[in-house]
Amino acid sequence: DTGVSQDPRHKITKRGQNVTFRCDPISEHNRLYWYRQTLGQGPEFLTYFQNEAQLEKSRLLSDRFSAERPKGSFSTLEIQRTEQGDSAMYLCASSSTSGGIEQYFGPGTRLTVT
Amino acid sequence: QKEVEQDPGPLSVPEGAIVSLNCTYSNSAFQYFMWYRQYSRKGPELLMYTYSSGNKEDGRFTAQVDKSSKYISLFIRDSQPSDSATYLCAMTGSTSGTYKYIFGTGTRLKVLA
Repeated sequence: DTGVSQDPRHKITKRGQNVTFRCDPISEHNRLYWYRQTLGQGPEFLTYFQNEAQLEKSRLLSDRFSAERPKGSFSTLEIQRTEQGDSAMYLCASSSTSGGIEQYFGPGTRLTVT
Repeated sequence: QKEVEQDPGPLSVPEGAIVSLNCTYSNSAFQYFMWYRQYSRKGPELLMYTYSSGNKEDGRFTAQVDKSSKYISLFIRDSQPSDSATYLCAMTGSTSGTYKYIFGTGTRLKVLA
């Protein structure tokens, strides 16, 4: 068990470009969450998958954001036409329905939009 | 008003001090209460997890939940410089269905050697 991994760790992009982040949860964890954290704030919930089904999306997730978990394993988060306000740390967490409700976080992807 | 309130600090204490970190919340549906530690530019690391009211101890860390007051605390005994980090409280309940977490803003702690 190597923990939750995220790729890339850092991304610098110009405004208007598209970016895609990847999250690999702890193996056999069927719940996967995306959060966004800005400087000086706690993480804010973006979206939730149980297996491959996306069961909840936050109002924070505008139509420029899309997330997938095609085979119920890794997940991707894509941001289209990035804006400076999208600059943040994007965190992925996973947990198991057969275990407790504890979520284990990855190291995050830090996005800077210039 | 935010669902979860947490004093952002920073909180500076001398090495060996007892640290008290607190959060208040407004949603009575919260049943599970977590504390995470986050070092600069890293992901949050789970420290403690408590269900409903009561105390839980793990080494130098003690978590307390008072649901009647909607108040939770994390105590760190014999604090060390390596404890210097941001401490985040998080909460959830089964009514959310997804068990998504609601976080406080985090308290920055600095333990001085």
